[in-house]
Amino acid sequence: DAGVIQSPRHEVTEMGQEVTLRCKPISGHDYLFWYRQTMMRGLELLIYFNNNVPIDDSGMPEDRFSAKMPNASFSTLKIQPSEPRDSAVYFCASSPGTGGRDTQYFGPGTRLTVL
Amino acid sequence: GDSVTQMEGPVTLSEEAFLTINCTYTATGYPSLFWYVQYPGEGLQLLLKATKADDKGSNKGFEATYRKETTSFHLEKGSVQVSDSAVYFCALSDLGTYKYIFGTGTRLKVLA
Repeated sequence: DAGVIQSPRHEVTEMGQEVTLRCKPISGHDYLFWYRQTMMRGLELLIYFNNNVPIDDSGMPEDRFSAKMPNASFSTLKIQPSEPRDSAVYFCASSPGTGGRDTQYFGPGTRLTVL
Repeated sequence: GDSVTQMEGPVTLSEEAFLTINCTYTATGYPSLFWYVQYPGEGLQLLLKATKADDKGSNKGFEATYRKETTSFHLEKGSVQVSDSAVYFCALSDLGTYKYIFGTGTRLKVLA
């Protein structure tokens, strides 16, 4: 299996621009998670989906952030407009959802820099 | 709510030294416990896990035992290598949820 795929790996943008991060989960996995990692706040769960439906978005920092999962093989995290404080590494992870408390498989991350 | 507390890093050791990274948790239910490792520039990878009390997870020479009485899941390795240099995260996932609660991570640096 190819593992969780994220693109782009690096993104540099200017404040105010729209940013879209992409994720392809492992085939057959029912759960998809978006995380943000910073030095100050560590690893934060932003949102997660089950069978393409958002289940818990309580970690989304504000209305500038939105996430979608139009089908089982693709998800996006969008920031509009972006701000310098959004600079972080964003990870996508998926899990099979076979019975709860499953292993999560992480992608390589997207390093976002907002100037 | 549920939480995970890890020892502060960085931890610096010489090659072949013994490693312990402490992890304690609080949970309302009966969680599964995990250790993940993050190498520079990469995503997190599962290192080991345990799903019930007294279970021992092990992988690549690392071990951790689920201690319900002390609510702990300390990571140990008898002889570290330079290639073990990474950030280690303790995490829990409680029964009935698919969410993880992660600790803040502990950076390990192993010197040759």
